[in-house]
Amino acid sequence: GAGVSQSPSNKVTEKGKDVELRCDPISGHTALYWYRQSLGQGLEFLIYFQGNSAPDKSGLPSDRFSAERTGGSVSTLTIQRTQQEDSAVYLCASSFAAGGETQYFGPGTRLLVL
Amino acid sequence: QKEVEQDPGPLSVPEGAIVSLNCTYSNSAFQYFMWYRQYSRKGPELLMYTYSSGNKEDGRFTAQVDKSSKYISLFIRDSQPSDSATYLCAMRSNFGNEKLTFGTGTRLTIIP
Repeated sequence: GAGVSQSPSNKVTEKGKDVELRCDPISGHTALYWYRQSLGQGLEFLIYFQGNSAPDKSGLPSDRFSAERTGGSVSTLTIQRTQQEDSAVYLCASSFAAGGETQYFGPGTRLLVL
Repeated sequence: QKEVEQDPGPLSVPEGAIVSLNCTYSNSAFQYFMWYRQYSRKGPELLMYTYSSGNKEDGRFTAQVDKSSKYISLFIRDSQPSDSATYLCAMRSNFGNEKLTFGTGTRLTIIP
């Protein structure tokens, strides 16, 4: 079956512009996660959605970052007023349920802020 | 100090060698331990998943967890050029705390 998909695969933007990154989780997966992977930093947790529960936003680095998940499926990560330090690979993962289920990752969106 | 420490490498070994990859961690609440493999410009894919201390074997891969030492390992036997990738350890605490905490990854190259 189809895996986690993300779009765009690459995004180049100018400092100060807003960007939207999209994630389509695996069908039937109720949990969705966003991570950021910076060079030499490993993967950093950003936000977690589980069903209709309030999202865990504890990893968002600033109020310029926000995410939503519509209809329990597709998710959008928005970065407002982008800064050069936002340049990274943004990875989305989904799992069948909470509670230790395997997280399946998408290919990521490579964001470059000039 | 980071919660999870992993030597970034790079690590180069000849084909057929046994590879040992390791992570240490400081948070004693971690209960679930994973190894992910990430090829260049791809997302991480799960290799091994273990709960608490002990060993788990899957084909050429063996994962070890020593919670008393806060140390986890991944061994790759009969290494192949296709094993060349970045290997990430990840861990999480008990049910209800879903986020994974990752190491920085070790870049591995298997030389034919």
